[in-house]
Amino acid sequence: GAVVSQHPSWVICKSGTSVKIECRSLDFQATTMFWYRQFPKQSLMLMATSNEGSKATYEQGVEKDKFLINHASLTLSTLTVTSAHPEDSSFYICSARAAGAGGPNEQFFGPGTRLTVL
Amino acid sequence: DAKTTQPTSMDCAEGRAANLPCNHSTISGNEYVYWYRQIHSQGPQYIIHGLKNNETNEMASLIITEDRKSSTLILPHATLRDTAVYYCIVRDKAGTALIFGKGTTLSVSS
Repeated sequence: GAVVSQHPSWVICKSGTSVKIECRSLDFQATTMFWYRQFPKQSLMLMATSNEGSKATYEQGVEKDKFLINHASLTLSTLTVTSAHPEDSSFYICSARAAGAGGPNEQFFGPGTRLTVL
Repeated sequence: DAKTTQPTSMDCAEGRAANLPCNHSTISGNEYVYWYRQIHSQGPQYIIHGLKNNETNEMASLIITEDRKSSTLILPHATLRDTAVYYCIVRDKAGTALIFGKGTTLSVSS
C-alpha cells in the first residue's frame, strides 16, 4: 500500500513555543490530507481536512489560529502547533488520500507524532 | 458522531479465530464498511472493506449481514501481534474523512 511518513516521530518542547509536524506521501500524490489528534486511551479525533492549494477546513472546536495547516504541495502537509501548552500534548496523526482515487480504501495513515509540552 | 457500535473489549486465545462484531443499523446504501486497527502508539492500519458482499484478504474476512445493519471481522488465526484496537467505520465512497468511534480492544493471549 501507499506510504505516509511523519516527522518528527516525537518531540518535546517548552510551553509557549511552536512546533511544526510534517506529513509526506512518499509514493503517491495526495490531493487531500487529514489531521487527527489522539489523547491517551481515547479514539482519533479529526481536527481538519486540508486540500492542496487551498485553506484547511477545521472541525468544530479546533482553533485554526492555534493549529496552522499548510498543504502547499501534493506530497507535503504541515501542522504547526503555535504557542503550545501542556494541554496540547497528544498524539498527532496525519492521513492522505491519493489524487484521483476512486476506490473506497484510499485513505492512508502516517505513523503519528507524539508531542509533549512541558 | 460515529455511526457504529462495537463492544469495548474482547479476549481471544492465540491460534483461535477472533470474531469482532459491529452494528451499523443506520448505514445507507452507498456507504462502505471499513475496518482499521491501531496497535499501541502507531497510526491506524487498513484491514479490509466491503459494501454488501463478504470479503476476504490476507489479513481477515469481513462478513456483512444481508440487511447490512451489522458486520463481523474475522481474524482466522489470531496471534499476539493482533492485539490492538479495532475500528469499524462506515463511510460513503465520496471520500470524506474517516470518523473513528471507540473501537474494540482485542487482547490475544497465549
